[in-house]
Amino acid sequence: AQTVTQSQPEMSVQEAETVTLSCTYDTSENNYYLFWYKQPPSRQMILVIRQEAYKQQNATENRFSVNFQKAAKSFSLKISDSQLGDTAMYFCAFMNNAGNNRKLIWGLGTSLAVNP
Amino acid sequence: EAQVTQNPRYLITVTGKKLTVTCSQNMNHEYMSWYRQDPGLGLRQIYYSMNVEVTDKGDVPEGYKVSRKEKRNFPLILESPSPNQTSLYFCASSLRLGRGRSHEQYFGPGTRLTVT
Repeated sequence: AQTVTQSQPEMSVQEAETVTLSCTYDTSENNYYLFWYKQPPSRQMILVIRQEAYKQQNATENRFSVNFQKAAKSFSLKISDSQLGDTAMYFCAFMNNAGNNRKLIWGLGTSLAVNP
Repeated sequence: EAQVTQNPRYLITVTGKKLTVTCSQNMNHEYMSWYRQDPGLGLRQIYYSMNVEVTDKGDVPEGYKVSRKEKRNFPLILESPSPNQTSLYFCASSLRLGRGRSHEQYFGPGTRLTVT
């Protein structure tokens, strides 16, 4: 069974600084997707960035980028130029690209506080 | 605007009183799914549906029912709610897996359920 581990329950960063959130996963599959979701205090689940396992190039979305290390099964999220609005829970999630169920398997999250 | 809606957003009820949480999407997605989010346990899939009249159990289906009579709607039914079903519930939808298709899942705003 696949598992997702986020080893940092809480992190903080100063506004405008850079922070990296860690995520490791365990799977025997070769074809899958990885995601980072953001959950602000409103509880809405917002997709931040996604990575297809077959792509070697790391995904980027504006200030957000990932470091995808497939052999090490690592998928970290880097937030550059942190903003107060980045304060939220961040979840790493895995989805197998086989079968019909598009089930997301989630880590337990990292609570990020951006300080002024 | 492409969106997933859930109702109600907040509900406090008593043990044994049947309730339904509605979920509707306007993106013509085939796939829909329900998750519950609990502290220390993360998000876990309850049920999913591949298309109209096609539903299947996720990881924690006990105590829940679903139906998929129309493509846009996927209600979650608690026939006899119990306090251990107190949780934050999310509905999600996406296109079914397929070559060239987006694999992004769209989430509803969440339903906070308390069963006393």
